[in-house]
Amino acid sequence: DTEVTQTPKHLVMGMTNKKSLKCEQHMGHRAMYWYKQKAKKPPELMFVYSYEKLSINESVPSRFSPECPNSSLLNLHLHALQPEDSALYLCASSLRFGQGVLDTQYFGPGTRLTVL
Amino acid sequence: DQQVKQNSPSLSVQEGRISILNCDYTNSMFDYFLWYKKYPAEGPTFLISISSIKDKNEDGRFTVFLNKSAKHLSLHIVPSQPGDSAVYFCAAIIQGAQKLVFGQGTRLTINP
Repeated sequence: DTEVTQTPKHLVMGMTNKKSLKCEQHMGHRAMYWYKQKAKKPPELMFVYSYEKLSINESVPSRFSPECPNSSLLNLHLHALQPEDSALYLCASSLRFGQGVLDTQYFGPGTRLTVL
Repeated sequence: DQQVKQNSPSLSVQEGRISILNCDYTNSMFDYFLWYKKYPAEGPTFLISISSIKDKNEDGRFTVFLNKSAKHLSLHIVPSQPGDSAVYFCAAIIQGAQKLVFGQGTRLTINP
């Protein structure tokens, strides 16, 4: 089973709302990722968690707040977003992350976010 | 600076024929290369990968070729099927940098 699940599938929110995106995997992977993908562009890395600790933050604005409550779950808390933040948000996981590691990342189906 | 490039935004191939998707890279430090397939409104699905120490990897109808001297890799799909119609992303990773770098994607359309 190489399944990464994401909820919700679609989300529409206003600029003053607070919402959260959820990601889950049960493959025993210890690395989890958030990516943002705009239309007709490749996915862009936002955050990486390794063993529930934040390893990489790609200079993402603070209105995006990641959280990894346990090894199977990854959340992305959203607050005061802008219309230009509308995109497909993808979660991924891999067995490990770190120096000397070349593990395949498996992606979830994404959450289509629209900010009005 | 686009380190992984897919210069063909789209490709049309007749069903049953071979599809060849190309990818070029500029960073000789890349250790590992992957191909992902993406349907609309879905996340990328891992297809096949190749380590920089190999020049070919095959999995069923999918074969990836790596030419390190030319900094070029290609994905061959044979025979092509209608279900192969999707956007294909080439991606690469440097062991030390730990970050997956994607190309812009190529939209493959298989015509009946």
